[in-house]
Amino acid sequence: DAKTTQPPSMDCAEGRAANLPCNHSTISGNEYVYWYRQIHSQGPQYIIHGLKNNETNEMASLIITEDRKSSTLILPHATLRDTAVYYCIVRGGNKLVFGAGTILRVKS
Amino acid sequence: SQTIHQWPATLVQPVGSPLSLECTVEGTSNPNLYWYRQAAGRGLQLLFYSVGIGQISSEVPQNLSASRPQDRQFILSSKKLLLSDSGFYLCAWTRRGFTGATYGYTFGSGTRLTVV
Repeated sequence: DAKTTQPPSMDCAEGRAANLPCNHSTISGNEYVYWYRQIHSQGPQYIIHGLKNNETNEMASLIITEDRKSSTLILPHATLRDTAVYYCIVRGGNKLVFGAGTILRVKS
Repeated sequence: SQTIHQWPATLVQPVGSPLSLECTVEGTSNPNLYWYRQAAGRGLQLLFYSVGIGQISSEVPQNLSASRPQDRQFILSSKKLLLSDSGFYLCAWTRRGFTGATYGYTFGSGTRLTVV
């Protein structure tokens, strides 16, 4: 599975959009980009995933660049409850391997 | 609907004691099952995964072992716990044949193990 690079931490004002970047320059053609988040002391929660096209669901939007070497997770209106560690994962096989993630702090 | 159960939620065990953590999945069959560990302040480390009964793949050499005696049951064990085994243990499942096209992983609520 390809490796990912994320900033260690980010701050966002409550009510504003949170844009979390992820680099995955070694991604191969059949590997999907997944985003999970982990709120303190809980199991990771699935957010969204995509292959090539941009995706949107009730939680977030995922923007994948045309060359697929990077992506951005967008939380359109961040709330205090969105404070968590966000993991970007590239996966093509049986295993989901987590990196260090980005700590997102939403502040009022 | 599918649910995943893990127990116990918290556990305090002395060094050298045995360990058994259980995970069960309901509402699906032939799932892929996973054990992860998260040490304090650290990321999630994949320990074991299983694609079928009796089939265990180990990701990291360690003091732990895993077994899958039934299709929807995954057990994490140790014969003698070490202080370094302390952490947050998470079980997860996904559908068999998961290629990434549709399904994500669903995680249990975790077991917080403290070895003293």
